[in-house]
Amino acid sequence: GQSLEQPSEVTAVEGAIVQINCTYQTSGFYGLSWYQQHDGGAPTFLSYNALDGLEETGRFSSFLSRSDSYGYLLLQELQMKDSASYFCAVSPSSGGSYIPTFGRGTSLIVHP
Amino acid sequence: EAGVAQSPRYKIIEKRQSVAFWCNPISGHATLYWYQQILGQGPKLLIQFQNNGVVDDSQLPKDRFSAERLKGVDSTLKIQPAKLEDSAVYLCASSFGTGWTGELFFGEGSRLTVL
Repeated sequence: GQSLEQPSEVTAVEGAIVQINCTYQTSGFYGLSWYQQHDGGAPTFLSYNALDGLEETGRFSSFLSRSDSYGYLLLQELQMKDSASYFCAVSPSSGGSYIPTFGRGTSLIVHP
Repeated sequence: EAGVAQSPRYKIIEKRQSVAFWCNPISGHATLYWYQQILGQGPKLLIQFQNNGVVDDSQLPKDRFSAERLKGVDSTLKIQPAKLEDSAVYLCASSFGTGWTGELFFGEGSRLTVL
């Protein structure tokens, strides 16, 4: 089976930098995705790491270390609108299809 | 490009009643997923379709839940009879189905309350 661990809650102030960690155990690992979900809204895709290293998309960056089964999402220049839940997800393969499995999520609270 | 469409957005039923949710994925997306998201938790996969075939339904409570995607396009998820613990948001998502990019496109979800 698969398991993912991420902190339940992280708080930070506007303008700061915050890192949300994710550790995973899975068979047939094919990459780590990150999603953002505001209260009452749909999860929206942020980034995907298939290979080790850092991927940067604007204020958001995501990192993966396959050898450590570990990744993180880095949010810079925090804004109030970044207050949301963030989920990491792995995608083990079965019969040629990828089956996305999500963590329990990290609630990010940004204070003024 | 239209996104993933789901209906109804909200549904309130009594326990032991039945309910059905509908999803229309993004045009051209071969893979369709139904997730259950209980308040405060991450989405849990119920069933995954590739075209009109089932890829994975290992976490679908088959004694009460059923899903179909007869023509490989839209899909229906049914619960019968509902239990209190089925109160959740039911999220439909789709992806291209070839060349995995790690990205799912989610609909707004159908929020179910079972009284």
